[in-house]
Amino acid sequence: DAKTTQPPSMDCAEGRAANLPCNHSTISGNEYVYWYRQIHSQGPQYIIHGLKNNETNEMASLIITEDRKSSTLILPHATLRDTAVYYCIVATTGTASKLTFGTGTRLQVTL
Amino acid sequence: DGGITQSPKYLFRKEGQNVTLSCEQNLNHDAMYWYRQDPGQGLRLIYYSQIVNDFQKGDIAEGYSVSREKKESFPLTVTSAQKNPTAFYLCAISPPGEHNEQFFGPGTRLTVL
Repeated sequence: DAKTTQPPSMDCAEGRAANLPCNHSTISGNEYVYWYRQIHSQGPQYIIHGLKNNETNEMASLIITEDRKSSTLILPHATLRDTAVYYCIVATTGTASKLTFGTGTRLQVTL
Repeated sequence: DGGITQSPKYLFRKEGQNVTLSCEQNLNHDAMYWYRQDPGQGLRLIYYSQIVNDFQKGDIAEGYSVSREKKESFPLTVTSAQKNPTAFYLCAISPPGEHNEQFFGPGTRLTVL
């Protein structure tokens, strides 16, 4: 699986948009971008994934650049409960495909 | 959560003892996974299973064993051969289909004294 690069930490004020970047310059054509988050001492939670088009669900939006070498996860109105470690992962589809979790970005949402 | 159960939440064992961690699911999914997480680190894949009676090694299988005798159960045994067993252990499942979302249990924190 391709490697990803994320900043180790970010801060965001409550109510503002949190924009979490991820670089994946060696992504292959058949690899998707997945985002998960992990709140302290819990199991990771799936957020969203995409191939090349922008995606939106009830939790977040995913913006993938046209060359697919980077992406941004957007939490439109961050709350204190969004404080977590966010992992960007690139992987092929299918249950045999391994998800490789790096160290992620620790997002701290503050009042 | 939501159909994945890991028990217990905290587990203490003496060095040299084997210990088995439980993972049960009631969502009828075929694929199940075991990960290990050390403090400040990401998750590392230990074993995964795509179907009953079949499983594959992940990146750090040494010192661990699994079985998949029933679809709903995928227990992980941490053997005495695992040199550094103290860690947070997470079980995950994945629904069928072309996409690769995984859904995680609450985890078991194992401490070997």
